[in-house]
Amino acid sequence: GAVVSQHPSRVICKSGTSVKIECRSLDFQATTMFWYRQFPKKSLMLMATSNEGSKATYEQGVEKDKFLINHASLTLSTLTVTSAHPEDSSFYICSARWDHSYEQYFGPGTRLTVT
Amino acid sequence: ELKVEQNPLFLSMQEGKNYTIYCNYSTTSDRLYWYRQDPGKSLESLFVLLSNGAVKQEGRLMASLDTKARLSTLHITAAVHDLSATYFCAVVILTDKLIFGTGTRLQVFP
Repeated sequence: GAVVSQHPSRVICKSGTSVKIECRSLDFQATTMFWYRQFPKKSLMLMATSNEGSKATYEQGVEKDKFLINHASLTLSTLTVTSAHPEDSSFYICSARWDHSYEQYFGPGTRLTVT
Repeated sequence: ELKVEQNPLFLSMQEGKNYTIYCNYSTTSDRLYWYRQDPGKSLESLFVLLSNGAVKQEGRLMASLDTKARLSTLHITAAVHDLSATYFCAVVILTDKLIFGTGTRLQVFP
């Protein structure tokens, strides 16, 4: 149980374009979803926390106009990287949890390459 | 500023040997997690430690938590090649935000 999927798993886009990444909880209702980014050989950095039906809370230094997060339902959150640049190339991982759960369940990640 | 530091950052060890990875954190937290990450993959949950003195074991891995010292350890017993991966600890703050440690890359060789 507690499966989280991400789509796409891998995406290459051109500089200046936007790309959307989906995160879905497949067998539970996710009241909270999290977005992380991970640069090669580095740790995971929390970008934002989103609760269903409300605006995402962004971590310091993360541009909310660049990384648009929507958590429209209890099973889906999306991250849109707008006007992508090569420095946005990274591994993006989402996680999800339900109320009163100790665990966050991680998606398989999306590797974004901006050329 | 909250810091979660792991020691060592890189560990190369021979099969059959024992070793311990340390995770120090700089603020009060009531929960600590250990994860494994294989190259190019996402995270696999290993342990969640919920209280001071908690100890959990699964196979060749054992994790412990000392909240007073703000220290967790991940002990590897009789390492095997399959344990080669990067290991992260993560501390919970503000109810549900996870702050990850720097990571320890473990390489087990014959």
